[in-house]
Amino acid sequence: DTGVSQDPRHKITKRGQNVTFRCDPISEHNRLYWYRQTLGQGPEFLTYFQNEAQLEKSRLLSDRFSAERPKGSFSTLEIQRTEQGDSAMYLCASSLEGGGGYTFGSGTRLTVV
Amino acid sequence: GESVGLHLPTLSVQEGDNSIINCAYSNSASDYFIWYKQESGKGPQFIIDIRSNMDKRQGQRVTVLLNKTVKHLSLQIAATQPGDSAVYFCAENDPGGFKTIFGAGTRLFVKA
Repeated sequence: DTGVSQDPRHKITKRGQNVTFRCDPISEHNRLYWYRQTLGQGPEFLTYFQNEAQLEKSRLLSDRFSAERPKGSFSTLEIQRTEQGDSAMYLCASSLEGGGGYTFGSGTRLTVV
Repeated sequence: GESVGLHLPTLSVQEGDNSIINCAYSNSASDYFIWYKQESGKGPQFIIDIRSNMDKRQGQRVTVLLNKTVKHLSLQIAATQPGDSAVYFCAENDPGGFKTIFGAGTRLFVKA
């Protein structure tokens, strides 16, 4: 297992288009998180899955955002009708229960033009 | 509300010197704290953690100190190396949920 993988690494899209990102966590990790990071800021929490159940969502996650983890393994984050303000790095992380911190992927950098 | 903040946005140290990065948190109910390192183009990387029942924890070249009285956290890096140049985030677990809350970060520059 090589860690948390995210695809694509970079995405440029036109305003109004839909985009989908994929995250493959570490296989033994049952917890999966999505964060968003803008330049010069710390990551901001978006949503959390324990296995396939989405247990927590941030108020940052508007109706245009949806995340799934259908089989408790990989996860997707979709943004519909993208806006320029959605431009950011989208980070996925996974962890085991009981602490020990997260393992982050390298992120997907989204640019909305 | 809850927040995690850092005292200094940038820190410049000479190679070989010790570095100290400080952090303040506001939620006295927080019971788990983590330091992450983020290099350019990469996701944050776990460095060290500490639970609220401890006031000090040591790793390889790194030490985290927790002062619950003043809600202060620090990361000490011994014999700082050029490879330590990065942004460092302190973070706390949300005691009422599942998420980790990150501060804005401190950029560490190591001068050769």
